[in-house]
Amino acid sequence: ILNVEQSPQSLHVQEGDSTNFTCSFPSSNFYALHWYRWETAKSPEALFVMTLNGDEKKKGRISATLNTKEGYSYLYIKGSQPEDSATYLCAPGGGADGLTFGKGTHLIIQP
Amino acid sequence: NAGVTQTPKFQVLKTGQSMTLQCAQDMNHNSMYWYRQDPGMGLRLIYYSASEGTTDKGEVPNGYNVSRLNKREFSLRLESAAPSQTSVYFCASSERGVATDTQYFGPGTRLTVL
Repeated sequence: ILNVEQSPQSLHVQEGDSTNFTCSFPSSNFYALHWYRWETAKSPEALFVMTLNGDEKKKGRISATLNTKEGYSYLYIKGSQPEDSATYLCAPGGGADGLTFGKGTHLIIQP
Repeated sequence: NAGVTQTPKFQVLKTGQSMTLQCAQDMNHNSMYWYRQDPGMGLRLIYYSASEGTTDKGEVPNGYNVSRLNKREFSLRLESAAPSQTSVYFCASSERGVATDTQYFGPGTRLTVL
């Protein structure tokens, strides 16, 4: 079982502000790092999958970076909007034996 | 294209009762998974099926059994439900079961065991 840490656990951000949070994971035997977005009462939806050290992915106002040597990834949200309120999960590894999820960062955007 | 579907959406059981949670995917995916979600614990893997005809234990398999009925369907059975199994259960699938594959989740089943 991989040790996956996400910080902070929760975050309140004013609408329009930018924010970021962290996922830490074991750097050994790295294959891939997934980010998911999970809205209340819905199911997790994939945001990004990253594999290479230095990878940067972007989708609209959301972007992510990856450092496989030191075992961390950052997720950035630029100009937060109320619809960004969700729990953001990271999950390293994966494959046929499933994903090991972190406990998530619960983001609340305040109007 | 419905993606991943789960039935039922909600269920209340008494301690000791049994039930089966159903999951089906229409994406022709090889790998399927069952997770449970508990407050403060995140998503934890119960069982997975890398391909049709195979199943393996995940992180928290005790008290559960699974059946990969065919390529589309993967069911989770609670033989004798316990209050500790009160949780939200998610089924997921991925195309090849490799590390870069995205997993697609169903809508979840909310189970309460009294």
